[in-house]
Amino acid sequence: SQTIHQWPATLVQPVGSPLSLECTVEGTSNPNLYWYRQAAGRGLQLLFYSVGIGQISSEVPQNLSASRPQDRQFILSSKKLLLSDSGFYLCAWSVTKGAQPQHFGDGTRLSIL
Amino acid sequence: GESVGLHLPTLSVQEGDNSIINCAYSNSASDYFIWYKQESGKGPQFIIDIRSNMDKRQGQRVTVLLNKTVKHLSLQIAATQPGDSAVYFCAENDNNNDMRFGAGTRLTVKP
Repeated sequence: SQTIHQWPATLVQPVGSPLSLECTVEGTSNPNLYWYRQAAGRGLQLLFYSVGIGQISSEVPQNLSASRPQDRQFILSSKKLLLSDSGFYLCAWSVTKGAQPQHFGDGTRLSIL
Repeated sequence: GESVGLHLPTLSVQEGDNSIINCAYSNSASDYFIWYKQESGKGPQFIIDIRSNMDKRQGQRVTVLLNKTVKHLSLQIAATQPGDSAVYFCAENDNNNDMRFGAGTRLTVKP
């Protein structure tokens, strides 16, 4: 069966520091991968998605970037964090885009001080 | 999708009762819909999905109903249990096949 792992679960970082959140998927090949941010009381905001290694689409211009160095690895990064980057970040995978369920990791709670 | 705001709609039910959670979607061209359950501090968990060529789909203790005429989706949970307490939200695909997620409804089950 397929599993998705995200780490760390929680992270506290100072403003201006770099960020690296990692997500890996097991049990499937060539998944579609997604990074979302979830604000309290709001729907999920799609940040990036990837259909293959090295292929990244950015949905919202901002202080973050994503990379997919391996088929089942998706990384969310920032060179300099802003206070507004605080939030709950979720990684997800799916077989296809828009026609099959997306399956989510347990998220990273990021707090910027 | 559902209205966006800081305060989620809430539904409180007695253990053993049936729960109905509703979702209004906006895109008449959407043809795929999902219900998720999210417990505090965890990622969303897939419950059930439905495609637009169906009106109803049943799972274990859950039923999803789709009314395309009024763009309405509902999730029915039979014999609600304390472990069902969570935020439930719907998702629809858009014209780019991205999934658009509602803010959710908080279900509280009283023992």
